Amino acid sequence: GQQVMQIPQYQHVQEGEDFTTYCNSSTTLSNIQWYKQRPGGHPVFLIQLVKSGEVKKQKRLTFQFGEAKKNSSLHITATQTTDVGTYFCAGPFGGAGSYQLTFGKGTKLSVIP
Amino acid sequence: DGGITQSPKYLFRKEGQNVTLSCEQNLNHDAMYWYRQDPGQGLRLIYYSQIVNDFQKGDIAEGYSVSREKKESFPLTVTSAQKNPTAFYLCASSTRQGASPEYFGPGTRLTVT
Repeated sequence: GQQVMQIPQYQHVQEGEDFTTYCNSSTTLSNIQWYKQRPGGHPVFLIQLVKSGEVKKQKRLTFQFGEAKKNSSLHITATQTTDVGTYFCAGPFGGAGSYQLTFGKGTKLSVIP
Repeated sequence: DGGITQSPKYLFRKEGQNVTLSCEQNLNHDAMYWYRQDPGQGLRLIYYSQIVNDFQKGDIAEGYSVSREKKESFPLTVTSAQKNPTAFYLCASSTRQGASPEYFGPGTRLTVT
């Protein structure tokens, strides 16, 4: 079936180190979303990427959508303890305009102070 | 403050009982969603509604029911037919029909024994 695979599943970094999570889809996506969920909390929408090869930045976070629109990445520069949480990517497998998102299982980030 | 309210935060029920989870939003959003999250997993879509008096099944609708009589409210009933109801349930909304979920409520943790 349609899948969104995220790697790694877990990542432990020293505060100040960089972090990257990767998201791979089994099919071409019209767009991709990224969410962050703090421990014990609810997901918070971070960004939506739509264009092939798109790169967007939010302070220390850089999001990229692959040229083939089948993969995406989230890179955090110089991690801080506030970055702790699970990062999910999600894509619509019903085509453009579909709102039935399939979520990856997430990458759980731990930051060691 | 605008937002999504889910109550209660924790809910305990005996097997065989139906239970209704509340979701209210004062964001004036058209679209609302119900997701289920299991430990170490991504979110899975149960039901979604793009407009009042209309809703559609998501990937795992069996054993659940919803109603959308008011724009602000989208309650979810977990019926006794749901085989593994213990989970974290998240309600979400988006500003327009056909958009990805942008705002999530704080969630309800349901435990059925």
